[in-house]
Amino acid sequence: GENVEQHPSTLSVQEGDSAVIKCTYSDSASNYFPWYKQELGKGPQLIIDIRSNVGEKKDQRIAVTLNKTAKHFSLHITETQPEDSAVYFCAVRGAQGGKLIFGQGTELSVKP
Amino acid sequence: KAGVTQTPRYLIKTRGQQVTLSCSPISGHRSVSWYQQTPGQGLQFLFEYFSETQRNKGNFPGRFSGRQFSNSRSEMNVSTLELGDSALYLCASSLASLTSGKVEQYFGPGTRLTVT
Repeated sequence: GENVEQHPSTLSVQEGDSAVIKCTYSDSASNYFPWYKQELGKGPQLIIDIRSNVGEKKDQRIAVTLNKTAKHFSLHITETQPEDSAVYFCAVRGAQGGKLIFGQGTELSVKP
Repeated sequence: KAGVTQTPRYLIKTRGQQVTLSCSPISGHRSVSWYQQTPGQGLQFLFEYFSETQRNKGNFPGRFSGRQFSNSRSEMNVSTLELGDSALYLCASSLASLTSGKVEQYFGPGTRLTVT
C-alpha cells in the first residue's frame, strides 16, 4: 500500500529564517497532497494543498512544491514566526481515493 | 460557519468496556472520516462515511465501527476496549466523498480516550 516518509522529525529555526519539510511517497498514481498544522490540544488544520497537475503553489509565507517524477513534495515556510511552532503533517491521497495517508509529522520550533 | 465538533472531548474508560464518540461535520459537508492518532503510529485512517454509507475502511479490527445519520452526523463505537486503544480520535469532514476530486478535509479538535 501507499507509504509516506516525512523528514525531518524535528526542526528548530530562528525567527525570520526559512523552514523546509520534505515528504516522499511510494504510489506514483497519488494525486492530492495536503499539509496540516497541529497545535497542542487541537486537531490538524489544513494549511495548503496541491494537486498532481500543479508543480508549485503559494499562499503568503507558505509554499508547497511537488516533484512527481521523484515522488516527493515539500513545504516551505519563509520568514518564520514563533506562532508557526507546531507539528506539521504531510498527507497523500492515492489514485484509488478513499483515504489520506499521513507522514509521521515534523515538530517545528521557531525560537524568537 | 461552525467547524467540526466532537463530543465528548475527554473520556476515561476501563478495559472491556465500550465507548461511543460523536462528530458533527461542518454544515453542508456530507463526508465524515475518522482517524486514530497515537504517538507511536501517528495518524491512521479508520473509516469514511458518505450519505450514511461506509465508503472506505482502514486496517483496524472489527471492534471499531461507525455509522452516519441522515443529517451527516456520525458516531464511532469501540467495543471491548484494550489499553492500546488509548488515543486521540479525530473526525474530519469534507464536502464530497474522498473518492471524488474535492477532498479537502477539515478536522475537529478530537476526543482524547484513555483506557485504564
